[in-house]
Amino acid sequence: DAGVIQSPRHEVTEMGQEVTLRCKPISGHDYLFWYRQTMMRGLELLIYFNNNVPIDDSGMPEDRFSAKMPNASFSTLKIQPSEPRDSAVYFCASSFGPWMGGKNIQYFGAGTRLSVL
Amino acid sequence: AQSVTQPDIHITVSEGASLELRCNYSYGATPYLFWYVQSPGQGLQLLLKYFSGDTLVQGIKGFEAEFKRSQSSFNLRKPSVHWSDAAEYFCAVGADNDMRFGAGTRLTVKP
Repeated sequence: DAGVIQSPRHEVTEMGQEVTLRCKPISGHDYLFWYRQTMMRGLELLIYFNNNVPIDDSGMPEDRFSAKMPNASFSTLKIQPSEPRDSAVYFCASSFGPWMGGKNIQYFGAGTRLSVL
Repeated sequence: AQSVTQPDIHITVSEGASLELRCNYSYGATPYLFWYVQSPGQGLQLLLKYFSGDTLVQGIKGFEAEFKRSQSSFNLRKPSVHWSDAAEYFCAVGADNDMRFGAGTRLTVKP
């Protein structure tokens, strides 16, 4: 398997624009996670899905952020409108099996580096 | 909720020297513990994990970590560092349907 695939690898946009980040999880994995990594806050879990259903979105910072998983092989994280403070690296990860207790291994994509000017 | 502290933001070691990266966690029970490595421009790769059993865990790339319940620590070690080990290392704790990462320790390897 090619692993978790994220696109684009880099995104530069202007404040106020809509940004869409994409993720393809590992085939067969039933959990998908979106993380944000910044110098100030480190790695933060934004939202995760189980079988395409959002389970916990308490980490989503604001209503400007939304995530969808229309099918088992694709997820998007959208920011509308984007702001300079959204500049960060956004990671997608997937895992197989019950998430309870964090026991199952998460496999991470290479990330999308977002710069909002 | 659980939390993770990596006290060292940046560590520099000479190639061939030994390495220890510190990780302390806060959680009421025994959590699941992980070390991930992030190379420049790359995602996070799992080095090793601890769920239960033997408190000394072996991982990939010659790394090991020891779980010490009395100290709430899960320090990562390597007896001889290679230049390719230069990266950022993250300790993580998973419990209660949540996973928390430390702030990371950046490792620089001197020739």
